[in-house]
Amino acid sequence: DAGITQSPRHKVTETGTPVTLRCHQTENHRYMYWYRQDPGHGLRLIHYSYGVKDTDKGEVSDGYSVSRSKTEDFLLTLESATSSQTSVYFCAISGGGKGSPLHFGNGTRLTVT
Amino acid sequence: GENVEQHPSTLSVQEGDSAVIKCTYSDSASNYFPWYKQELGKGPQLIIDIRSNVGEKKDQRIAVTLNKTAKHFSLHITETQPEDSAVYFCAASTTNTGNQFYFGTGTSLTVIP
Repeated sequence: DAGITQSPRHKVTETGTPVTLRCHQTENHRYMYWYRQDPGHGLRLIHYSYGVKDTDKGEVSDGYSVSRSKTEDFLLTLESATSSQTSVYFCAISGGGKGSPLHFGNGTRLTVT
Repeated sequence: GENVEQHPSTLSVQEGDSAVIKCTYSDSASNYFPWYKQELGKGPQLIIDIRSNVGEKKDQRIAVTLNKTAKHFSLHITETQPEDSAVYFCAASTTNTGNQFYFGTGTSLTVIP
C-alpha cells in the first residue's frame, strides 16, 4: 500500500459543528486529493492540491475547505457539518507525471447526526 | 468537465466465467484510463491502466481495451474467482487540467462459487 494514513477512521459529529479530517503521506508526492464516496455517485472530487499552499476546487467543493502547509499533510475541513456531508471520505495522492495513477488511503467514515 | 458513465452497476457471474465492465467518457482530451478495485472497508486499489496511445493491455487474467474514436473502454476479467468479488471503478484523466480524475459510478461484481 502507498504510504497514506487518514485520521480519524470513523467519526460521528453533530450538525453545525466543525470537523477536520487529516491525510498524511510518506511518498513525497506532489498531488493530493480529497474525494467523497456515496452510493450511486461513485467517487467525487472535493478539492485537490498541486503543491504546498496550492489548492483548487473540485466538483463538490461547497461546504468544504482545505489546507496544505506541508508536502505530507492535506487537511479537509467541514466548517459547519450538515447531514448531507455524511459520507466516506478518501484521500488520494499522485506523483503528477503524465499518466500517474491515484493511490488511495483507506477512508474516513463520517456520520453527521 | 469530463463525464464518465459505467455499466452495469451490478454483475453476477459463475466462477470460471468471464466478466466485462464498460465505460464511456465525454472529453476527447482524456488520455489516461485507470481501473480500480475496491474491497469492503478499504480504499480503491489500482489494478490496471491504459494510455490513449495504446488499444489494449493485458495483465494475467485482466485486460483493458480502449476505443478512442467511440470514447469507450472496457475491463475484461477471465477465469473469474471468488476473490474477484468487489466493486470496480473506471476513471478518466487528462493532464491538460491539472491531473484531475473523473470516476464512473462503480460496478459491484459477485463471483458465485
